Amino acid sequence: ETGVTQSPTHLIKTRGQQVTLRCSSQSGHNTVSWYQQALGQGPQFIFQYYREEENGRGNFPPRFSGLQFPNYSSELNVNALELDDSALYLCASSPPPGQGAGAEQFFGPGTRLTVL
Amino acid sequence: AQKVTQAQTEISVVEKEDVTLDCVYETRDTTYYLFWYKQPPSGELVFLIRRNSFDEQNEISGRYSWNFQKSTSSFNFTITASQVVDSAVYFCALSGGTSYDKVIFGPGTSLSVIP
Repeated sequence: ETGVTQSPTHLIKTRGQQVTLRCSSQSGHNTVSWYQQALGQGPQFIFQYYREEENGRGNFPPRFSGLQFPNYSSELNVNALELDDSALYLCASSPPPGQGAGAEQFFGPGTRLTVL
Repeated sequence: AQKVTQAQTEISVVEKEDVTLDCVYETRDTTYYLFWYKQPPSGELVFLIRRNSFDEQNEISGRYSWNFQKSTSSFNFTITASQVVDSAVYFCALSGGTSYDKVIFGPGTSLSVIP
């Protein structure tokens, strides 16, 4: 069974640039969620994708966007990077919604983004 | 609004001591789920347990045990006979009230087990 993978591991960008982070879900999972974890804090929910559509969103501005592909992999795109976007970005996969909120989420190792 | 509070920011114990990590949650939902995750220095979140709001039975898994009390909105986690490998940040989390899996994490408790 293949776990959740994310790429790249680390990334350095400058303010105003755009970035794309990638995630491959665990085998058999077709739902992907993205979280932002600032240093010393708990992860914060950005959004969730199911069947290639955004299924729910947290309190993040529109410059945070995503995609999900037919193979259930996903991308997180952030435009106009700001210094506060520096964080660990975590991707999690889970069984499909419809089983009710609370499905166990399996997390990837994360992408560490630094914005200078 | 949903909220998770972990009042202990950092805890340090000597190996083989027992330690309890506190978690208090707030929600207006009648159906909700509570989780504990472990985040070792490598950064990857490791799932430890999920509990739904209708199951208040305490659970034990090896050296780990969880105490869920709806009356006090608490879901505490105890590690018995702690080991150095238990050193990590532990997050309590909550989800519910939506059709999707938005998980609200607490701020985390950093546990250091000293040999």
